[in-house]
Amino acid sequence: TAGITQAPTSQILAAGRSMTLRCTQDMRHNAMYWYRQDLGLGLRLIHYSNTAGTTGKGEVPDGYSVSRANTDDFPLTLASAVPSQTSVYFCASSKLAGAANEQFFGPGTRLTVL
Amino acid sequence: GQNIDQPTEMTATEGAIVQINCTYQTSGFNGLFWYQQHAGEAPTFLSYNVLDGLEEKGRFSSFLSRSKGYSYLLLKELQMKDSASYLCAVSGSNYQLIWGAGTKLIIKP
Repeated sequence: TAGITQAPTSQILAAGRSMTLRCTQDMRHNAMYWYRQDLGLGLRLIHYSNTAGTTGKGEVPDGYSVSRANTDDFPLTLASAVPSQTSVYFCASSKLAGAANEQFFGPGTRLTVL
Repeated sequence: GQNIDQPTEMTATEGAIVQINCTYQTSGFNGLFWYQQHAGEAPTFLSYNVLDGLEEKGRFSSFLSRSKGYSYLLLKELQMKDSASYLCAVSGSNYQLIWGAGTKLIIKP
């Protein structure tokens, strides 16, 4: 089973360009999340979705947008990238929303904005 | 504010025991998670505690004291493959996870 897949694995992006990071899960999980991980900091939540058709803002949502058109896919879009968005981005999912339950993570996308 | 504290780095010897501590201050508490993250890889789930006490799972155990805002992860019979970062995360009042910065564990032969 694939679990959660992310694409691309890594990307170098010029500042000001837009980009969509893709995330797909095949576990039929209700909740999905986007985190960024920076050296010396904990994972920080960007956006989340408790179920298809709904999204919410996390701790650091500025400069990012998401959509959840169906259960499986949860793309993250950077409309106009800035160097401070250089980071490793992880997509995650959990079976339930509104409950404390294990989150499963994708392999991550390493993004460099120059 | 909300805060999760854990040591930045620890070193231990193969075959030994190591305890990684985590203290937290959060608005609301719905349990504490420990994840393992090898360099360049995704975090993977290790344990979940919501009640006080010790949960044992093979070589790994996790302890929680809610009154003290404290947890630890205990790793026994250390193996070289245990070299990784260990992430502490608290499920807060809205069930979102608040993450510590992680403890990098270095295992020496």
